[in-house]
Amino acid sequence: GESVGLHLPTLSVQEGDNSIINCAYSNSASDYFIWYKQESGKGPQFIIDIRSNMDKRQGQRVTVLLNKTVKHLSLQIAATQPGDSAVYFCAVTHPAGGGADGLTFGKGTHLIIQP
Amino acid sequence: DGGITQSPKYLFRKEGQNVTLSCEQNLNHDAMYWYRQDPGQGLRLIYYSQIVNDFQKGDIAEGYSVSREKKESFPLTVTSAQKNPTAFYLCASSIGGYQETQYFGPGTRLLVL
Repeated sequence: GESVGLHLPTLSVQEGDNSIINCAYSNSASDYFIWYKQESGKGPQFIIDIRSNMDKRQGQRVTVLLNKTVKHLSLQIAATQPGDSAVYFCAVTHPAGGGADGLTFGKGTHLIIQP
Repeated sequence: DGGITQSPKYLFRKEGQNVTLSCEQNLNHDAMYWYRQDPGQGLRLIYYSQIVNDFQKGDIAEGYSVSREKKESFPLTVTSAQKNPTAFYLCASSIGGYQETQYFGPGTRLLVL
């Protein structure tokens, strides 16, 4: 099976600082990783993804790093803004499921922006 | 304007009542999913459908039922057998199977009267 965990349920950062949100997974065969952002009362919003043949991928103000050796995934947000305040969670897939049950979601880290 | 819509935004259920949550997508995605979200927990899969007229149970299917008669629609019924239905329900869709990004709707919050 697969388990996905995030290291911190809450992360508080100063506006303008960089934020780093972490995720650990258990299955070394996992091959596709997704980060979502969920604002209060809304559905999750896709941020960025990465496949297992890559170590790093950059988007607009966001970077995802994948360390397959220690089965660790991180999301870095540059110059954090008040609009970044939300719950962030990772989703991990692996080949063994063969279907939708191969997608496992972490519990989420609540990012709080201090003025 | 493409996307996934869910209705209603809030739904109230009386004891012993079945209620149906709507999910529609105009993204031409083959696969659709229903998740339940409870405070402090990750998303848990209820049902998923990879193609029209076919669907499979997820991790917590008991007390729920679905249908997939049309590609764009995947309604979820919360039956009276679901004893703890209060939660935030999220519908998602993807182009194909599990290795494709899932895109979510805005959610329906179900409350028990």
